[in-house]
Amino acid sequence: NAGVTQTPKFQVLKTGQSMTLQCAQDMNHNSMYWYRQDPGMGLRLIYYSASEGTTDKGEVPNGYNVSRLNKREFSLRLESAAPSQTSVYFCASSEAYIRVGTEAFFGQGTRLTVV
Amino acid sequence: AQTVTQSQPEMSVQEAETVTLSCTYDTSENNYYLFWYKQPPSRQMILVIRQEAYKQQNATENRFSVNFQKAAKSFSLKISDSQLGDTAMYFCAFMKHGGYSTLTFGKGTMLLVSP
Repeated sequence: NAGVTQTPKFQVLKTGQSMTLQCAQDMNHNSMYWYRQDPGMGLRLIYYSASEGTTDKGEVPNGYNVSRLNKREFSLRLESAAPSQTSVYFCASSEAYIRVGTEAFFGQGTRLTVV
Repeated sequence: AQTVTQSQPEMSVQEAETVTLSCTYDTSENNYYLFWYKQPPSRQMILVIRQEAYKQQNATENRFSVNFQKAAKSFSLKISDSQLGDTAMYFCAFMKHGGYSTLTFGKGTMLLVSP
């Protein structure tokens, strides 16, 4: 039972470099999310995709882009990494329509350091 | 927009004792869900307990229980018979019912259980 799989688990980038964080889920969920976690800040929503073909900005979208490649995959791209983007990134998924029993499932996280 | 507040950045408890973590939230929604997630040092986000707002009865899961006060918008987590493995960051989260929704997190409470 893979659930939500994120790659890579760790990454170090130089300022200005670009990279894509990959996320895939095998639970047939419609909704997928990208969060970042910083000390003392909890998890903050970067972008989300309510269904295949749609994406929406969350609380902290600046400096990021996303692609919902298909129902399974939702990638997060940093075009020009900055030290302020040093963080732990989590991908999550859930059913599209929120009802009894709905919960979000999370990947293992990616620790990204921008130097 | 919803906000979730955890006023205790850190707490400590001795093994076998009981501890209560606080959470308050602000919303204009009437139907919603509240969650407590646990994040151990492994970084994995683990669902501890869930409460549906329309249910009067407080949710319980083994040693974990909540005190849900809808009018006061309060959702505290009680951990009984604390174990060393309970050492983790605990996040309170809110999700509205119906339609497309995202999880809104508090900033977290770091719980340390000592022998």
